[in-house]
Amino acid sequence: KQEVTQIPAALSVPEGENLVLNCSFTDSAIYNLQWFRQDPGKGLTSLLLIQSSQREQTSGRLNASLDKSSGRSTLYIAASQPGDSATYLCAVRGGGGADGLTFGKGTHLIIQP
Amino acid sequence: GAVVSQHPSWVICKSGTSVKIECRSLDFQATTMFWYRQFPKQSLMLMATSNEGSKATYEQGVEKDKFLINHASLTLSTLTVTSAHPEDSSFYICSARYSGSGSYNEQFFGPGTRLTVL
Repeated sequence: KQEVTQIPAALSVPEGENLVLNCSFTDSAIYNLQWFRQDPGKGLTSLLLIQSSQREQTSGRLNASLDKSSGRSTLYIAASQPGDSATYLCAVRGGGGADGLTFGKGTHLIIQP
Repeated sequence: GAVVSQHPSWVICKSGTSVKIECRSLDFQATTMFWYRQFPKQSLMLMATSNEGSKATYEQGVEKDKFLINHASLTLSTLTVTSAHPEDSSFYICSARYSGSGSYNEQFFGPGTRLTVL
């Protein structure tokens, strides 16, 4: 059974810092990996999706990398802003035909003004 | 594009009643929709996968007779929580997967429905 772990569980940094969020998964046979943002009491906003054949994806100040063989992904946020404060979720889609996503518990990020 | 809506956004009901939650893909056709549940400070857990025109596939531990899923069209799936109990109180989120090509099968999520059972 796939398990997804995110480290750290919580992070608080001053505005302007670059930071890295980590995600690991136990079964490397994945179809793709997705990073989401969730604001309190809200749904999910998709940030980046990386196919299993890809190594990284970039969108604005966000960069996500994928090392499928080692079961790891990182989300890099450059020049953090208070508006980046949210919970960041990592999710993988299994490669064995499983359609649903397996989520980590998330990293709760606070950017201090 | 790729907008998914849910209705209602929140609902409070009495124990023993049934509650229906709708999930709609507004600007695309979704052959597959998914229902997730999120308890406080926990991650999202997949409850079931719903394919248009066929029976839903439930994850282990999810009671199919309690959580009725209907996916009658390419833009609408419904989740009915039957005989709700306080332990069913949770945040229910649906997602829809675009059935066209070139989308890498990305799932697009709705805003969620907060269910509180008294």
